Amino acid sequence: DTAVSQTPKYLVTQMGNDKSIKCEQNLGHDTMYWYKQDSKKFLKIMFSYNNKELIINETVPNRFSPKSPDKAHLNLHINSLELGDSAVYFCASSQERGLDTEAFFGQGTRLTVV
Amino acid sequence: AQSVTQLGSHVSVSEGALVLLRCNYSSSVPPYLFWYVQYPNQGLQLLLKYTTGATLVKGINGFEAEFKKSETSFHLTKPSAHMSDAAEYFCAVSSPGGSYIPTFGRGTSLIVHP
Repeated sequence: DTAVSQTPKYLVTQMGNDKSIKCEQNLGHDTMYWYKQDSKKFLKIMFSYNNKELIINETVPNRFSPKSPDKAHLNLHINSLELGDSAVYFCASSQERGLDTEAFFGQGTRLTVV
Repeated sequence: AQSVTQLGSHVSVSEGALVLLRCNYSSSVPPYLFWYVQYPNQGLQLLLKYTTGATLVKGINGFEAEFKKSETSFHLTKPSAHMSDAAEYFCAVSSPGGSYIPTFGRGTSLIVHP
């Protein structure tokens, strides 16, 4: 059983399209995240949810909208995709909000915008 | 504000040789420090973490790291590299007063030669 699972693993789409990436965790964690990893492997936090409530929203364009229907799911919807959105997107979860809390990552979704 | 600097985007070693991956942090208060590993086409997984107490921390797969406050460092070491250690390694820091979400370094790619 995969602890944090994302779908799809690969996503190729044209500019201007709208797409969603789904994330589910079966660890019973309260907190979930979305990270973006660029072509140089730099990992940057995008959003953080705690018990379905948005906690952190870093400087991310409004075209990105996270949705958490329940605390086990955190989906990422992207409108009007741009070339610069091409990256690997990672979902992660942690048991609680805490400075020493380990994050568990999904395998990533490689998004390519053409 | 907290930040992490990983010296060297690539480190190349021979199988059986010592592995040393460098990480320096910046934090105005005592930090919590992490090392994560990312194998090809996978998400990140925790290698080890320092919170409080013993400054030498042992992790999985024979890795260890030492917290040195005077040097603001948290270098990762392994006495003898194995081919399977080839991966991307990320140092991360979180500290009180800021977001509880860790800040990641830019990663170091470990290359292991036969």
